[in-house]
Amino acid sequence: KNEVEQSPQNLTAQEGEFITINCSYSVGISALHWLQQHPGGGIVSLFMLSSGKKKHGRLIATINIQEKHSSLHITASHPRDSAVYICAVIGDRDDKIIFGKGTRLHILP
Amino acid sequence: KAGVTQTPRYLIKTRGQQVTLSCSPISGHRSVSWYQQTPGQGLQFLFEYFSETQRNKGNFPGRFSGRQFSNSRSEMNVSTLELGDSALYLCASSAGGTGGMNTEAFFGQGTRLTVV
Repeated sequence: KNEVEQSPQNLTAQEGEFITINCSYSVGISALHWLQQHPGGGIVSLFMLSSGKKKHGRLIATINIQEKHSSLHITASHPRDSAVYICAVIGDRDDKIIFGKGTRLHILP
Repeated sequence: KAGVTQTPRYLIKTRGQQVTLSCSPISGHRSVSWYQQTPGQGLQFLFEYFSETQRNKGNFPGRFSGRQFSNSRSEMNVSTLELGDSALYLCASSAGGTGGMNTEAFFGQGTRLTVV
């Protein structure tokens, strides 16, 4: 079992829909990152969380440390949100960085 | 403020050769981390450098090495290339602190290495 599991692996939705991507992890962490990767490879760090909730524009990220779970939400989704979203956790004992396999999101116009 | 710059963007090498990739971090950032991304394994952490010292290392063979210069620019080297080393190599810079990804990280566009 991977230490970081993302679901779903693939998601296709219509423009305007509310999107939720989930990340569950099995190790103790000091921080969790949500990353966005567009075709071509460039990665953008969307959020870094260690507790609670963060919001940036139409994006919201939450984390529940007790349940070892984080969610990334996109409100009013748009075709330009189409990308791979990757969850990465930082182990609290050794700063080991573990990535999820990513969620491929496709928003249809 | 200039972003993270990786050079070259694309590279083709043959098996057995060696390769050096470069990463220039955001000005003022002292931490540079390197990652390998392949379709099969996804993103994997290679190593992190902070103030010219390797601070953390992933589970890669000794053929993968790196260094950081006094201006925080970093290079990674892969010797005796294998077909399986074909990947997108990404670097990320951050201000540093307690660990490369314990603070906000900024990624470069990556170097796509193809080994033939």
